[in-house]
Amino acid sequence: EAGVTQFPSHSVIEKGQTVTLRCDPISGHDNLYWYRRVMGKEIKFLLHFVKESKQDESGMPNNRFLAERTGGTYSTLKVQPAELEDSGVYFCASSRYVAEDGYTFGSGTRLTVV
Amino acid sequence: DAKTTQPPSMDCAEGRAANLPCNHSTISGNEYVYWYRQIHSQGPQYIIHGLKNNETNEMASLIITEDRKSSTLILPHATLRDTAVYYCIVRPYGQNFVFGPGTRLSVLP
Repeated sequence: EAGVTQFPSHSVIEKGQTVTLRCDPISGHDNLYWYRRVMGKEIKFLLHFVKESKQDESGMPNNRFLAERTGGTYSTLKVQPAELEDSGVYFCASSRYVAEDGYTFGSGTRLTVV
Repeated sequence: DAKTTQPPSMDCAEGRAANLPCNHSTISGNEYVYWYRQIHSQGPQYIIHGLKNNETNEMASLIITEDRKSSTLILPHATLRDTAVYYCIVRPYGQNFVFGPGTRLSVLP
């Protein structure tokens, strides 16, 4: 099966601009997660979708971040306006069930805000 | 915050077994032990998980102590491609993963 696909793989934008990251989960995986690693920090959870519904968005840092998953398929994470501290790698993961299964992660989008 | 303690780094000779320890002394009865790894510039990769019994798959073995306060991930024949950061994560059933700093494993030729 195809894995979790993220694009772009890299994005460089100026402070104040808007960037939209996209994640295509594994087909049939109802659960979709966003994580990120900012410079020098550990990988942190952002939010969790079950189909098109936000199950848990407790990790979203502030209201400049907006995640959507229309139709319960792919998801987008928009950062508007981007700040320097948003630079890092944004990972998407998916799983069929929430239960005890491990997630499959994508390769991430490296975001650089200059 | 992560509920596990791992050494920051380890070395292993190619072809030898790599044994990565993890302490999780505050683990609760419904919490699973997971191992992931992250090879440079890739996303985290699931390796194995367990509750209280030892587990083995095609990638590794997981040994959990009887009191469940620690575990060891074993890569039986480490290769250069196993060089990565290995994360031991204690996760309550159905909750999200909390990543710590992990152990940076270097497999040496």
